[in-house]
Amino acid sequence: GAVVSQHPSRVICKSGTSVKIECRSLDFQATTMFWYRQFPKKSLMLMATSNEGSKATYEQGVEKDKFLINHASLTLSTLTVTSAHPEDSSFYICSAKTNTDTQYFGPGTRLTVL
Amino acid sequence: SQQGEEDPQALSIQEGENATMNCSYKTSINNLQWYRQNSGRGLVHLILIRSNEREKHSGRLRVTLDTSKKSSSLLITASRAADTASYFCATVSGTYKYIFGTGTRLKVLA
Repeated sequence: GAVVSQHPSRVICKSGTSVKIECRSLDFQATTMFWYRQFPKKSLMLMATSNEGSKATYEQGVEKDKFLINHASLTLSTLTVTSAHPEDSSFYICSAKTNTDTQYFGPGTRLTVL
Repeated sequence: SQQGEEDPQALSIQEGENATMNCSYKTSINNLQWYRQNSGRGLVHLILIRSNEREKHSGRLRVTLDTSKKSSSLLITASRAADTASYFCATVSGTYKYIFGTGTRLKVLA
């Protein structure tokens, strides 16, 4: 149980385009989902916290207009990287939690912006 | 930065040896968790230790927690080549945010 999926697993896009990444909790309802970013050989940095039906809470330094987060249902959150640039290339990981303090992590999405 | 620190940053050992990684953090916590990440992959949850626990075991893993020093250690005994990965600690506070450490890259040589 407690499986989280992400789609796509990897995406390559041209500079200036927008990319949408989906995060789904497959066998449980997630009251809260989190989005992280990881640069090569670095740790995970929390970008934002997303609660179903409400606006996401962004961490300091994360541009909310750049990284649009929508949490429309208890099983789906999406991250859209708008007008992507090469510096947005990274590994994006989502996680989902229920009413406990355990987060279940997705397998990650590798974004490469050319 | 709220990020925890892990040391060493990189560790290379021979198969069969023990590997010890340390994690220090800055704020009070509810629990601390250890994760493994293989290159380019997602996180695998290894073990959770609560703030009122001092030591926990799971198979070849042993985790200690010293809340007075705000530090934790992960010991992997009798390491195998398959243990080669990056290891991260994550602290969880009242806000349920996970703050990840900087990670230790472990390489186990066959």
